[in-house]
Amino acid sequence: GENVGLHLPTLSVQEGDNSIINCAYSNSASDYFIWYKQESGKGPQFIIDIRSNMDKRQGQRVTVLLNKTVKHLSLQIAATQPGDSAVYFCAENIGPQGGSEKLVFGKGTKLTVNP
Amino acid sequence: KAGVTQTPRYLIKTRGQQVTLSCSPISGHRSVSWYQQTPGQGLQFLFEYFSETQRNKGNFPGRFSGRQFSNSRSEMNVSTLELGDSALYLCASSFSSGGELFFGEGSRLTVL
Repeated sequence: GENVGLHLPTLSVQEGDNSIINCAYSNSASDYFIWYKQESGKGPQFIIDIRSNMDKRQGQRVTVLLNKTVKHLSLQIAATQPGDSAVYFCAENIGPQGGSEKLVFGKGTKLTVNP
Repeated sequence: KAGVTQTPRYLIKTRGQQVTLSCSPISGHRSVSWYQQTPGQGLQFLFEYFSETQRNKGNFPGRFSGRQFSNSRSEMNVSTLELGDSALYLCASSFSSGGELFFGEGSRLTVL
């Protein structure tokens, strides 16, 4: 069945360093992937998304890379700040409309930024 | 613009009871999705509604149900509560079925 997982449950970085959070997915038919950030006590917050016809997409301080050959997704955060400390989830769309209507989430990676 | 609003934020129930959770989407959003979040299983899709119709459903027992009203507000209901239903229930809305999801802060249910 569909499964989206994460390689590391926790990641600790120094403020100012770059962070890389990885994700593996199993459904080769998935064509839409999203990264979310969840802070304590809050709902997930959209960070960036990417469709399967792309292998890289950049946002503000964030970059998502998609490697369809090995079914791997990564989130890169540049110049990590204390406010980036949160749990990060990748999500894969398995719904028929090809959007965000039915997502399978990974288990999450807890990012801790040390000052 | 107000975000996704979920009520109640916290509630405690006992086994066998039922619970109804409410979600008000962002104004203008027609798609509402529900997710269950637990430490063990993570975020799991429950169902998605669009224009009052359930369009997608996750792998949850029939005790979990939902509906959407004409104003796009949605409710989910869990009957015959079990201890394992203790979780954070998250609602998310989007303008269209494939659009960016905006999550509420969730309703934390504890079943004793």
